Amino acid sequence: DIVMTQSPDSLAVSLGERATINCKSSQNLLYSSNNKNYLAWYQQKPGQSPKLLINWASARESGVPDRFSGSGSGTDFTLTISSLQAEDVAVYYCHQYYSLPETFGRGTKVEIK
Amino acid sequence: QVHLVQSGAEVKKPGSSVRVSCKASGGTFRSYAVSWVRQAPGQGLEWMGGIIPLFGPANYAQKLQDRVTISADLSTNTSYMDLHSLTPQDTAVYYCAQKGTWGQGTLVIVSS
Repeated sequence: DIVMTQSPDSLAVSLGERATINCKSSQNLLYSSNNKNYLAWYQQKPGQSPKLLINWASARESGVPDRFSGSGSGTDFTLTISSLQAEDVAVYYCHQYYSLPETFGRGTKVEIK
Repeated sequence: QVHLVQSGAEVKKPGSSVRVSCKASGGTFRSYAVSWVRQAPGQGLEWMGGIIPLFGPANYAQKLQDRVTISADLSTNTSYMDLHSLTPQDTAVYYCAQKGTWGQGTLVIVSS
């Protein structure tokens, strides 16, 4: 199974400041035939279902604010919130769908400092 | 865009089984994988298995494959997740997901 290691487990950021979450996979997630990384980022607020933010490592979903961005390739990925807003308080998960079983990182809790 | 509506909360006894349904509307249900993911209280996300309704059969997480059955009914655009031999450790919110859209979740409590 592909192990997804997220860091940090939690972080507290001041409003308007940058938040950076890292995700490292135990295997390559880049499929060479289509040059796509099979990596997604989800946001989960308390009591809610996860919401897809980023697909294919860097493709922002429709309606997701542009302060959210994804980067990386292969085994190392990053989710960046460029200017943290109060509504961004949540747990963020990375998710690989390169191979079965699909696996998730353990989550990063983002709070306001 | 697909919209997924799941069945309601369940309370089950240890050793029993539970069926959770996931009805899709507004999308192309049959052609895309439906995944089932669970989340124990205060914990992270665990992939249980998935199915492409048009093709089947389902794939399962190894730790659950002896106890879980995922199916799909093309006539009603509904996927089902059956979990057998329940234990208190199966207490969780169970989600279905398709193309990045998730259902609202179904709480299953296993308690004597």
